[in-house]
Amino acid sequence: DAKTTQPPSMDCAEGRAANLPCNHSTISGNEYVYWYRQIHSQGPQYIIHGLKNNETNEMASLIITEDRKSSTLILPHATLRDTAVYYCIVRVDSSSNTGKLIFGQGTTLQVKP
Amino acid sequence: DSGVTQTPKHLITATGQRVTLRCSPRSGDLSVYWYQQSLDQGLQFLIQYYNGEERAKGNILERFSAQQFPDLHSELNLSSLELGDSALYFCASSVGTLATGTGYTFGSGTRLTVV
Repeated sequence: DAKTTQPPSMDCAEGRAANLPCNHSTISGNEYVYWYRQIHSQGPQYIIHGLKNNETNEMASLIITEDRKSSTLILPHATLRDTAVYYCIVRVDSSSNTGKLIFGQGTTLQVKP
Repeated sequence: DSGVTQTPKHLITATGQRVTLRCSPRSGDLSVYWYQQSLDQGLQFLIQYYNGEERAKGNILERFSAQQFPDLHSELNLSSLELGDSALYFCASSVGTLATGTGYTFGSGTRLTVV
């Protein structure tokens, strides 16, 4: 699985959009980009994933660059409850792979009032 | 509630002792994964079981072992405990063998403190 690079920390004002970047310059064509978050020592929570097209769900949007070497997770209207560590993970989803997730250090997002 | 149940929530034990952590996967899930989260190492994958069989192994110490029982619950056994084993231990489950999207769910963890 390709390696990812994320800034260690970011701040965001409550109600504003939070844009969390992730660099994955060595990503392969069959690797998906996944985002998870961990709120204060709780179990990690799935947010969104994508392969090459932009994705949106009720929690967030995922923007993947055309060359797929980087992506951005967007929380459109951040709230205090979005304060968490956000992990960007790239992995292959195939029957020959396993379900293990390789977590990096993530980005600590602090949403401020 | 994620549907993945881990017990106990907290555990305090002495060095050299042995403990067992338990995980009940979400209903219908056949895969169970164990992760360790310590302050200096972050979240690390330990081991995966699928329908009773070991599927993948990560950086799991020889002092640690796991198994998945016929009712699909799993236990992680930690022996000869050291201070450095103090960590949060998470269990996750999924239907199949892959970590696809919302089908991969983590429990709330067991906090182990070794004194």
